[in-house]
Amino acid sequence: GAVVSQHPSWVICKSGTSVKIECRSLDFQATTMFWYRQFPKQSLMLMATSNEGSKATYEQGVEKDKFLINHASLTLSTLTVTSAHPEDSSFYICSAKGWRERADTQYFGPGTRLTVL
Amino acid sequence: LAKTTQPISMDSYEGQEVNITCSHNNIATNDYITWYQQFPSQGPRFIIQGYKTKVTNEVASLFIPADRKSSTLSLPRVSLSDTAVYYCLVGFYNTDKLIFGTGTRLQVFP
Repeated sequence: GAVVSQHPSWVICKSGTSVKIECRSLDFQATTMFWYRQFPKQSLMLMATSNEGSKATYEQGVEKDKFLINHASLTLSTLTVTSAHPEDSSFYICSAKGWRERADTQYFGPGTRLTVL
Repeated sequence: LAKTTQPISMDSYEGQEVNITCSHNNIATNDYITWYQQFPSQGPRFIIQGYKTKVTNEVASLFIPADRKSSTLSLPRVSLSDTAVYYCLVGFYNTDKLIFGTGTRLQVFP
């Protein structure tokens, strides 16, 4: 149980275009999903917290107009990188919060590799 | 949020037991301790979670002393496939954020 999927697994786009990444919780409902970014050899960096039916909360330094997050249902959150540039190339990972015994646990998707040319 | 401190890297050989210790001096009463494993170009995978004393599952054990200011992930008889980065995280059960630290890069040699 507690499976999270992401689509696409990798994407290559031209500079200036927008890219949408989907995150789905397959076998549980997730009122809260999270988006992380990870650069090579570095740890995961939390970008934003996405709550179903409300606006996302962005971490300091993350541009909300550039990284659009939509959490329209209990099983789907999307991250859209608008007007992507080469510096946005990174590994984007989502997670969904679900119950495991007595504590919330985050379950992570497989990640999406974004390469902006 | 409680911060965690882990060794940057560890080396081991196949068949050995590996213990990775994490310090979390500012852990709060409602915090749980969770360990994740991450392979290159993959999302983190849940390993184990605990609150106090000892927790064991099919892949690992988690030891938490009474003061809960540290925890130790124990991997019995590691194999080459256990080469990965291991993250220790501390979080409130009713709080959203989990902040990742540097993690411990475990290298298992044949």
